[in-house]
Amino acid sequence: DIQMTQSPSTLSASVGDRVTITCRASQSINNWLAWYQQKPGKAPKILIYKASSLESGVPSRFSGGGSGTEFTLNISSLQPDDFATYYCQQYKSHSTFGQGTKLKIK
Amino acid sequence: QVQLQESGPGLVKPSETLSLTCTVSGGSISSYFWSWIRQPPGKGLEWIGYIYYTGSTNYNPSLKSRVTISLDMSKNQFSLKLSSVTAADTAVYYCARRSLTTGGAFDIWGQGTMVTVSS
Repeated sequence: DIQMTQSPSTLSASVGDRVTITCRASQSINNWLAWYQQKPGKAPKILIYKASSLESGVPSRFSGGGSGTEFTLNISSLQPDDFATYYCQQYKSHSTFGQGTKLKIK
Repeated sequence: QVQLQESGPGLVKPSETLSLTCTVSGGSISSYFWSWIRQPPGKGLEWIGYIYYTGSTNYNPSLKSRVTISLDMSKNQFSLKLSSVTAADTAVYYCARRSLTTGGAFDIWGQGTMVTVSS
C-alpha cells in the first residue's frame, strides 16, 4: 500500500500570510495527487488534482506542485475562509489520504 | 449540477451489517466511478472502495473481506454493505464521484451520514 505523510500536522498563520503544506508518498505516484479542504461538519472539497491543476471555481491563491514522491500545496495570501483542514490524496494505486493538516488562525 | 445524498440507518449493532445507499441526482450514474469514503470522529479520511458503472469494483485491501459495493442503474443509486461491524467502524460515511477529468480524484461529495456502531 502507498502511504501518504503530511507535514505539518498543525499550522498557525495570519491573514495575508503565505503557507506551504507538504505531502510525501512512500513510493512514486507520478502526479496522481489531489488536495482537499475540509471545514468542520462538511464534506471535503477538491482544490487541486493531478498535483498542480486547479479545480474550476477554486481561487488562484491556491497552487500545487511536485511529482514523484514529494508534493506541496501553497496558499499565497491567506483569507479568513481558508482556515480549515487540508488533506492530500494519492490515486495512483487504490486511494490513500494523508493524515491532514489543520490550518489555524495565529 | 450533480448532487449526491447518502441514506441509511444511523445506528448499527456490533457484528451486524452496515448498509448505506447513495442517490445520484442531476446526472447519470453512467460513465463514472462511484466511491465510498469514511471518517471516524476527529480523525482522517479512509477510502473504502469504488464501483464503475459497468459493475467492476475495487476495494481497500484492509476492508476488502467485509465490503460490497453495488449499483442500481434504474434508480441512479449505488450502495455500500460492510459486514461484521465493530465500534471501529463508527464514522461519517461519504459517497463521492471519482472524476475522469481529474484522472481519479473525487470531485463531487455527498454531505455525509454518521453511522454509530453500538449495542
